[in-house]
Amino acid sequence: DAKTTQPTSMDCAEGRAANLPCNHSTISGNEYVYWYRQIHSQGPQYIIHGLKNNETNEMASLIITEDRKSSTLILPHATLRDTAVYYCIVRSSQAGTALIFGKGTTLSVSS
Amino acid sequence: EADIYQTPRYLVIGTGKKITLECSQTMGHDKMYWYQQDPGMELHLIHYSYGVNSTEKGDLSSESTVSRIRTEHFPLTLESARPSHTSQYLCASSEYGTGAFYEQYFGPGTRLTVT
Repeated sequence: DAKTTQPTSMDCAEGRAANLPCNHSTISGNEYVYWYRQIHSQGPQYIIHGLKNNETNEMASLIITEDRKSSTLILPHATLRDTAVYYCIVRSSQAGTALIFGKGTTLSVSS
Repeated sequence: EADIYQTPRYLVIGTGKKITLECSQTMGHDKMYWYQQDPGMELHLIHYSYGVNSTEKGDLSSESTVSRIRTEHFPLTLESARPSHTSQYLCASSEYGTGAFYEQYFGPGTRLTVT
């Protein structure tokens, strides 16, 4: 699976949009981009995933560049409860293996 | 809401003791996983299973062992606990398949302290 690069930490004011970038320049054609988050050492929670089209659900939006070498997770109106570590993971749809987590981005939302 | 459970949630135990961390899921998932996470650090995959009687070691070497006798149950055992085993252990499960949607459901974790 392709490696990802994320900033170590980011800050966001409550109520503003949080834009979390992820670089995956070595992604291959059959690899999906997944986002999970982990709140204060709880088990990670699935947020969203995509292949090449932008995706939106009730939690977030995922914007993937046309060349698929990077993506951005958008939390449209961040709240204090969104403070967490956010993981960007690239995984092949053909691989039936576990998700491999990197260091992620620590997002701090403040009032 | 994920139906995956871990017990105990917290465990403080002395060096040399044998311990078993329990993980159960009621979703009928074939695949189950154990991750280890030190405070403020990454999650590392230590064991996984693709079904009954299937167990494999993960990316991080671990002295623990696992078994999968029933689909819903994936316990992790340390024969002789040491302070270096102090960590959080997270169990997860997912459906079997290679489709695009691959959500892993995580349990709440067991925080182990070996004194």
